Amino acid sequence: DSGVTQTPKHLITATGQRVTLRCSPRSGDLSVYWYQQSLDQGLQFLIQYYNGEERAKGNILERFSAQQFPDLHSELNLSSLELGDSALYFCASSAGQGIPTGELFFGEGSRLTVL
Amino acid sequence: QQPVQSPQAVILREGEDAVINCSSSKALYSVHWYRQKHGEAPVFLMILLKGGEQKGHDKISASFNEKKQQSSLYLTASQLSYSGTYFCGTKGSNSGYALNFGKGTSLLVTP
Repeated sequence: DSGVTQTPKHLITATGQRVTLRCSPRSGDLSVYWYQQSLDQGLQFLIQYYNGEERAKGNILERFSAQQFPDLHSELNLSSLELGDSALYFCASSAGQGIPTGELFFGEGSRLTVL
Repeated sequence: QQPVQSPQAVILREGEDAVINCSSSKALYSVHWYRQKHGEAPVFLMILLKGGEQKGHDKISASFNEKKQQSSLYLTASQLSYSGTYFCGTKGSNSGYALNFGKGTSLLVTP
């Protein structure tokens, strides 16, 4: 158990819909990262927050947005869903504000299926 | 910038060795290795911060050639528990805080 909690574990929805994925980081960790894992692309970095502020942005679509709240939990919002958005979405947390020496602790992921 | 891993997949017999390579087209600050077992979250193995640095974790070790922007993960005397997908993550010298992972190398160790 990494200490990172993600909900829901599984989500099935239709194209055009909007969903919210939630992540609670390990106790004390200030950084939260979101990754998308699909079969053909591996782990794709989406976005990072540190103590409520956006720190780094990867290949995150404009239809996706995220935020980190004062209690440090984070939410990833996916809207106007398309079939290609079906993937496993991981949240990870780390203690520091950056990557250089920080181990990432991954949650168990939220599997999104868009029909 | 997503690093490139090779090979894509490896099948080994228990006790055999394997090498997984990771390369980047950009200058690297650090290389991070993770292993993901089927249906589970990726788990941290090690970080390499300096050029030429080698680290070990039981019978799994890695090297980082900063000049060539490459890292290699060495698995010696493989065990059944080594099966999984191995990801290298790289942080570029000028890429802020983003850690970009390769597509992964699937490793299957058979009895």
